[in-house]
Amino acid sequence: DTGVSQNPRHKITKRGQNVTFRCDPISEHNRLYWYRQTLGQGPEFLTYFQNEAQLEKSRLLSDRFSAERPKGSFSTLEIQRTEQGDSAMYLCASSWGFTGGDTEAFFGQGTRLTVV
Amino acid sequence: QKEVEQNSGPLSVPEGAIASLNCTYSDRGSQSFFWYRQYSGKSPELIMFIYSNGDKEDGRFTAQLNKASQYVSLLIRDSQPSDSATYLCAAITGANSKLTFGKGITLSVRP
Repeated sequence: DTGVSQNPRHKITKRGQNVTFRCDPISEHNRLYWYRQTLGQGPEFLTYFQNEAQLEKSRLLSDRFSAERPKGSFSTLEIQRTEQGDSAMYLCASSWGFTGGDTEAFFGQGTRLTVV
Repeated sequence: QKEVEQNSGPLSVPEGAIASLNCTYSDRGSQSFFWYRQYSGKSPELIMFIYSNGDKEDGRFTAQLNKASQYVSLLIRDSQPSDSATYLCAAITGANSKLTFGKGITLSVRP
């Protein structure tokens, strides 16, 4: 396994269009996170999956955003009716977690979204 | 107050010097702390993590944690130009082990 994989690496879209990103986590990892990073800022948490269950969503995640992780494997993040403020790097991370413990999270290469 | 704060920098050191990067956090419930390195246009890459008070060394890197002062630091010994990057401090907060990041500090190592 070569790590967390994200596709596409870059996406340019017109305002108002829908976009979908994909994340393939490290295969044995049960936890999957989406973050968003804008220039000059650290990544900000968007949503979290444990296996196939979406257990937490940030207030940053408006109703235009939806994420899925069918069968607890890959995940998709969809943004509907994109706005220029959605332009950012979207990062996926995965880790192995268990009750009472954590392991380090590894990030994918990210998808850079530009809304024009 | 942001949950994780880093001095905004940037920080510039000469090649071979020790670079000291600092981070404070506000949530006393945070137990695990991470340092990520991020090159321009790339995704964060894990350098080190620390759970216990004290120092943890890995090669040229030393992470330090002081839970009483809510302070985490990263020392880079024998700094190299290839260490020039943005360094992100992160803490695990909340029940779902999500990472809360600082803004990052940009390190420049002068040849």
